[in-house]
Amino acid sequence: DILLTQSPSFLSASVGDRVTITCRASQGIANYLAWYQQKPGKAPKLLIYTASTLQSGVPSRFSGSGSGTQFTLTISSLQPEDFATYFCQQLNGYLAFGGGTKVEIK
Amino acid sequence: QITLKESGPTLVKPTQTLTLTCTFSGFSLTTSGVGVGWIRQPPGKALEWLALIYWDDDKRYSPSLKSRLTITKDTSKNQVVLTMTNMDPVDTATYYCAHRPIPFSPGNWFDSWGQGTLVTVSS
Repeated sequence: DILLTQSPSFLSASVGDRVTITCRASQGIANYLAWYQQKPGKAPKLLIYTASTLQSGVPSRFSGSGSGTQFTLTISSLQPEDFATYFCQQLNGYLAFGGGTKVEIK
Repeated sequence: QITLKESGPTLVKPTQTLTLTCTFSGFSLTTSGVGVGWIRQPPGKALEWLALIYWDDDKRYSPSLKSRLTITKDTSKNQVVLTMTNMDPVDTATYYCAHRPIPFSPGNWFDSWGQGTLVTVSS
């Protein structure tokens, strides 16, 4: 089974910061990756699919890149509503999720 | 507007079988390409994909849980049912169902989620 490893698992940042989260796959998965945002007590929300396609309605400050085994989610200018936990997900075969990255206020 | 809602017991005993129902609206599970998946999340932990059923009744399961899971659909009721046998305290989690949209490119992502239901396994 493909494993997804996210880093960092926790990061502290300020409003306006540029934030980058990495997701590494244990083997190549082409562009079969999605990113979700989850706030406490809420269901995950789809941000990006197929590595770089922005889901409808998601602000353009979110972007995704990568292919093969290394992927990144970037928030260009962190907003107060972006403090949350972010998960990556493999989109083919075994639909593994990464361990999550919690973004907290510095 | 797509909505999904999970229902089922909040407490089950070890060794029992859990049956969860996902009732949805805003889409049809007879539409080519559409699917419904189940994902769970133990308290404070990561998401774990469990199962996925497609419009054509094709089914996919997490390899580690495949022997314990069954996913079915009732298109007339707009429902998907997940059963998990031999429940254990480690299965305590919030269980979500989610909509897999018609993909414009290959892959299985979930664009709408239910609110989730917390299932506790305890004697």
